[in-house]
Amino acid sequence: GENVEQHPSTLSVQEGDSAVIKCTYSDSASNYFPWYKQELGKGPQLIIDIRSNVGEKKDQRIAVTLNKTAKHFSLHITETQPEDSAVYFCAASIRRDDKIIFGKGTRLHILP
Amino acid sequence: SAVISQKPSRDICQRGTSLTIQCQVDSQVTMMFWYRQQPGQSLTLIATANQGSEATYESGFVIDKFPISRPNLTFSTLTVSNMSPEDSSIYLCSFRTGHTEAFFGQGTRLTVV
Repeated sequence: GENVEQHPSTLSVQEGDSAVIKCTYSDSASNYFPWYKQELGKGPQLIIDIRSNVGEKKDQRIAVTLNKTAKHFSLHITETQPEDSAVYFCAASIRRDDKIIFGKGTRLHILP
Repeated sequence: SAVISQKPSRDICQRGTSLTIQCQVDSQVTMMFWYRQQPGQSLTLIATANQGSEATYESGFVIDKFPISRPNLTFSTLTVSNMSPEDSSIYLCSFRTGHTEAFFGQGTRLTVV
């Protein structure tokens, strides 16, 4: 089955700087790659997603890139703000069965 | 976006007992999923529940321990049976409408004592 690896497990960046989180996946049949943000005591919330027919997608300060050949995808957050502090999960989904498999998560700390 | 309600939000249970978690969606959805999230950990898929068919369980999870019901397109339950302290975790329901984003409930924080 699909396996998603995520790095780093913890990331601290100065407010205003950029943060990058990287993931790899194992199953070349995966074609949907969402990123979720989870705040304490809440369920995960989708922040951006990308499909395998697209190499990059941007939404304001957040961008995701996908390299299908290398099976890598990354989340980029620019101009980080205190409210960006949370746990971020990458995930992958294979169309044929639709279940979403999550990476282990990255705890992002934005330092004042 | 659709609203997904999960209850209870938290519970403290005695070992050996069972707890049923309910998940209600405000629109009809085909696929519902149940996840477990242990403290500080990622989300692990327990099973996929489609209406009108038996749930499909992931490796390491069995129906006797985690029976699931899916009586209609807006509702599902997960029961954690014969609980032990190792079952202490957050349980989350989720749904997708086709090949779109997955929405999550707020989770049920279960503590087994």
